[in-house]
Amino acid sequence: GQSLEQPSEVTAVEGAIVQINCTYQTSGFYGLSWYQQHDGGAPTFLSYNALDGLEETGRFSSFLSRSDSYGYLLLQELQMKDSASYFCAVNPGNTPLVFGKGTRLSVIA
Amino acid sequence: ETGVTQTPRHLVMGMTNKKSLKCEQHLGHNAMYWYKQSAKKPLELMFVYSLEERVENNSVPSRFSPECPNSSHLFLHLHTLQPEDSALYLCASSQDLEETQYFGPGTRLLVL
Repeated sequence: GQSLEQPSEVTAVEGAIVQINCTYQTSGFYGLSWYQQHDGGAPTFLSYNALDGLEETGRFSSFLSRSDSYGYLLLQELQMKDSASYFCAVNPGNTPLVFGKGTRLSVIA
Repeated sequence: ETGVTQTPRHLVMGMTNKKSLKCEQHLGHNAMYWYKQSAKKPLELMFVYSLEERVENNSVPSRFSPECPNSSHLFLHLHTLQPEDSALYLCASSQDLEETQYFGPGTRLLVL
């Protein structure tokens, strides 16, 4: 079977740092993606990790540990516009991505 | 146009109506997807097409009928829907099945 676990909700203060974790159990694994979705909008691709380690793109970073079946999305210098849902997704190989249920991030002043 | 487009963006229909949702991708991708997302809920994968062939159908009621006439276009035909089918319907495409997916803006459907 395929399962991804991520927290359902996270609240953080503007200007702070927040980490959204994702653990996975899948029959195959080639990489972990992160998507952002604002209310009423479509998911947009943020990052992809195929290898262990940290990938940085501006204020957002994504980390993967294949041995621990674990990854996280790190958001720094939080802004109000970062309030959104964040989905992790596994590439199991030769089949469609498997999405987690999403983490709703609320950034407060 | 670029990316993935969907029409209409909003749709209100009665339970006896028949309507179709359209998705078009301008990315040269080989795989296309339909997702359903109810309010503040996770994405539910409905249908997957790869090279115009359906490869996955996740126990979706027969009142939803997909059609993929070519690699750039995907339709979702709707008939005799129920109020619980009201949701955001998202189309996505990817280069191949396991690759990064790019989503359209969605069709917000309300069934009365």
